[in-house]
Amino acid sequence: DTGVSQDPRHKITKRGQNVTFRCDPISEHNRLYWYRQTLGQGPEFLTYFQNEAQLEKSRLLSDRFSAERPKGSFSTLEIQRTEQGDSAMYLCASSVGLAETQYFGPGTRLLVL
Amino acid sequence: RKEVEQDPGPFNVPEGATVAFNCTYSNSASQSFFWYRQDCRKEPKLLMSVYSSGNEDGRFTAQLNRASQYISLLIRDSKLSDSATYLCVVNMVGRDDKIIFGKGTRLHILP
Repeated sequence: DTGVSQDPRHKITKRGQNVTFRCDPISEHNRLYWYRQTLGQGPEFLTYFQNEAQLEKSRLLSDRFSAERPKGSFSTLEIQRTEQGDSAMYLCASSVGLAETQYFGPGTRLLVL
Repeated sequence: RKEVEQDPGPFNVPEGATVAFNCTYSNSASQSFFWYRQDCRKEPKLLMSVYSSGNEDGRFTAQLNRASQYISLLIRDSKLSDSATYLCVVNMVGRDDKIIFGKGTRLHILP
């Protein structure tokens, strides 16, 4: 399968713990995006990378959130000191370039107790 | 005005009927447009891009109206398998690149 993959698929954690998610994009895709989606809402943009450079960050991305794409391939999204409001589906997508079709991974579903 | 707005539905439509959704956007700098389909508890998947001249893919037709700042999706001869949430996506490219998803329109095809 050469699509976008995400790990883990599900994560349950206690409030205050740190969590890290990984995304492996389609190999030839330069752009990688992170979104958050809650029930009944569309995906909300968090941040994106052009190769290893983080080019845009949403105001939704508080200082507890950090994302990296160190070698321009896979990316990690870390949430520190998780809060119950962080419970959501975290989606990763990749694309060949700007304004091109984004291909989504299956998402990581986070539940903060 | 929200950047991208969709009627959340749900649209309950009998099988075989034709259904249309609209999506309005507020920023005239928007440059590319897409419709995605999302099944329950699954990731969004591209349904079709929306081109300025309008485009068709089988039973699906997408239109763009830049003057009125909306895009539309028409589904003809609807199938039970068309039941899903349809997400409108607007890309704005420029000094500030923005990718905005609508909240989605839920469609239920009734047997």
